[in-house]
Amino acid sequence: DAMVIQNPRYQVTQFGKPVTLSCSQTLNHNVMYWYQQKSSQAPKLLFHYYDKDFNNEADTPDNFQSRRPNTSFCFLDIRSPGLGDAAMYLCATSREDFSSYNEQFFGPGTRLTVL
Amino acid sequence: GENVEQHPSTLSVQEGDSAVIKCTYSDSASNYFPWYKQELGKRPQLIIDIRSNVGEKKDQRIAVTLNKTAKHFSLHITETQPEDSAVYFCAASFSTRFGNEKLTFGTGTRLTIIP
Repeated sequence: DAMVIQNPRYQVTQFGKPVTLSCSQTLNHNVMYWYQQKSSQAPKLLFHYYDKDFNNEADTPDNFQSRRPNTSFCFLDIRSPGLGDAAMYLCATSREDFSSYNEQFFGPGTRLTVL
Repeated sequence: GENVEQHPSTLSVQEGDSAVIKCTYSDSASNYFPWYKQELGKRPQLIIDIRSNVGEKKDQRIAVTLNKTAKHFSLHITETQPEDSAVYFCAASFSTRFGNEKLTFGTGTRLTIIP
């Protein structure tokens, strides 16, 4: 089945130790998003790729980086995780052109714990 | 700026009664308004969406209304059932500086259906 896959589902890291979260999709969507969702809060957009164009939200900390090596894969790198970065990280995809905006499909998320 | 307000933050209704959740948005250019349902520990899932060229859309027990002049939209769930208990997020589309669009989410409503 076509879907959005995130690995790992649970990630534990130490304070300051770099961590990479991955997302892959079989939907052949041209847009991929990374959201941070803390407990009882709304998903907060960190950045997204429209094809190869990287779009960073103004309030996304420099500690967060992203890579999209090809259409199917997108990575979230947290260079020096702090305790405040513990959250659920959601990847989403959509097929978009400038004439219409379409549904975002979410992956199951990666729950990050920082010790 | 991009702002979506959602009310109420919590809502309890008797099984069989109706539930209404309301959202307002800031940008008159927004043209896509999805509603997502998120169960505990799971990904957000689209339940209904509406585009700015229509005022109302219905799918079985779920309906969404949009008032573009007032910049608000609402989710209506009729004949509520225990499985409707979840957190519901509204969202509105906003244009990026690159010309494509992204979503900003409301703060969420925790809906509890009382058997």
